[in-house]
Amino acid sequence: ETGVTQTPRHLVMGMTNKKSLKCEQHLGHNAMYWYKQSAKKPLELMFVYSLEERVENNSVPSRFSPECPNSSHLFLHLHTLQPEDSALYLCASSQEVIGGRSNEQFFGPGTRLTVL
Amino acid sequence: SQKIEQNSEALNIQEGKTATLTCNYTNYSPAYLQWYRQDPGRGPVFLLLIRENEKEKRKERLKVTFDTTLKQSLFHITASQPADSATYLCALDSGSGTYKYIFGTGTRLKVLA
Repeated sequence: ETGVTQTPRHLVMGMTNKKSLKCEQHLGHNAMYWYKQSAKKPLELMFVYSLEERVENNSVPSRFSPECPNSSHLFLHLHTLQPEDSALYLCASSQEVIGGRSNEQFFGPGTRLTVL
Repeated sequence: SQKIEQNSEALNIQEGKTATLTCNYTNYSPAYLQWYRQDPGRGPVFLLLIRENEKEKRKERLKVTFDTTLKQSLFHITASQPADSATYLCALDSGSGTYKYIFGTGTRLKVLA
């Protein structure tokens, strides 16, 4: 257990569905991340929140919408996805120092998303 | 553009030998480099962090080197065990002063009993 939980672990959805992925960290960290991992591709950073404020948005399509209501919870809202969005979605957290360049990230187990 | 290369071919070694994995990068000047382990169906797990002014870092059977001239990091596992079989990812800070780390595709290691 890394202290980062994600639900659901598996999700199958149609292209017209709306669903949400949830992440919770129990480590007292102040930064949270969403990554996408596709087969044979490197982890792609999607969003970063620091102190509940979005600090990074890597040109992610608007059909992905993040939400960070507090420092322990992070959501990824999904709407009208495409089959190519099928991937493992990973949440991570870390304790950031202002002006620093990050300590280690603690990852959750991921949500395996399949878009039909 | 910034690029990280890890050997995409799987690495098979015999139990007890030293495994050496390579991470090369171009168009970067990272201050930090991290190595993670990822098992199938699970998230990456942090192993080691090395700073640009550190040549080498050790943790138990793990050793990481960071050569900023060659733009390369080597990751060694000594006295390898079948339980070390996993995919190993390197990650470099983007140098932008933000929270962004760039990950490589990873190298799959299989230790044969």
